[in-house]
Amino acid sequence: DAGVTQSPTHLIKTRGQQVTLRCSPKSGHDTVSWYQQALGQGPQFIFQYYEEEERQRGNFPDRFSGHQFPNYSSELNVNALLLGDSALYLCASSPSGGGSYNEQFFGPGTRLTVL
Amino acid sequence: GQNIDQPTEMTATEGAIVQINCTYQTSGFNGLFWYQQHAGEAPTFLSYNVLDGLEEKGRFSSFLSRSKGYSYLLLKELQMKDSASYLCAVNPNNFNKFYFGSGTKLNVKP
Repeated sequence: DAGVTQSPTHLIKTRGQQVTLRCSPKSGHDTVSWYQQALGQGPQFIFQYYEEEERQRGNFPDRFSGHQFPNYSSELNVNALLLGDSALYLCASSPSGGGSYNEQFFGPGTRLTVL
Repeated sequence: GQNIDQPTEMTATEGAIVQINCTYQTSGFNGLFWYQQHAGEAPTFLSYNVLDGLEEKGRFSSFLSRSKGYSYLLLKELQMKDSASYLCAVNPNNFNKFYFGSGTKLNVKP
């Protein structure tokens, strides 16, 4: 089991550009969440995808958008990049279904630097 | 709003015991998670509490009091490799929209 994978590992962009980050969930997981982690901070929830639709969203502007594919993989798109978007972007996957125990497995992250 | 608080940094000695506290105020509660994160790496799951009490897992234990909005992570027999950030996260509903604290950086010294 490969676990959660993300690409690319590192990315450098300039202000105003657009970026796409990719995530493949752990085998058997159909729910993908994206988090932004600034240096020295805890992860902040961006949004979550389930059944190819955005199910939950955090307090992030519309410049942040996403997509989920039929194979459950997901993309995070950020438009009009700002310096403040520099962060580690984490993808987390979990299985759907009821119950209170829904552990999230995190990928290694994509380090985005905006110059 | 959602608020998760934990100390910024702690230092402890190899072989000792350390307790990392977390207090939370959230709109709902469906479980509290502790994650370990080494610098530049992904968070890895340590423990989960949804009912009051202590959950023990080897050298790591986690405690929860829902009435007090309080949890702690207890690390015993500290090893140098335990130097990392420890993240407290609350799942307020059934949708895995986790709210994280800022993390506690633990420094283990010889």
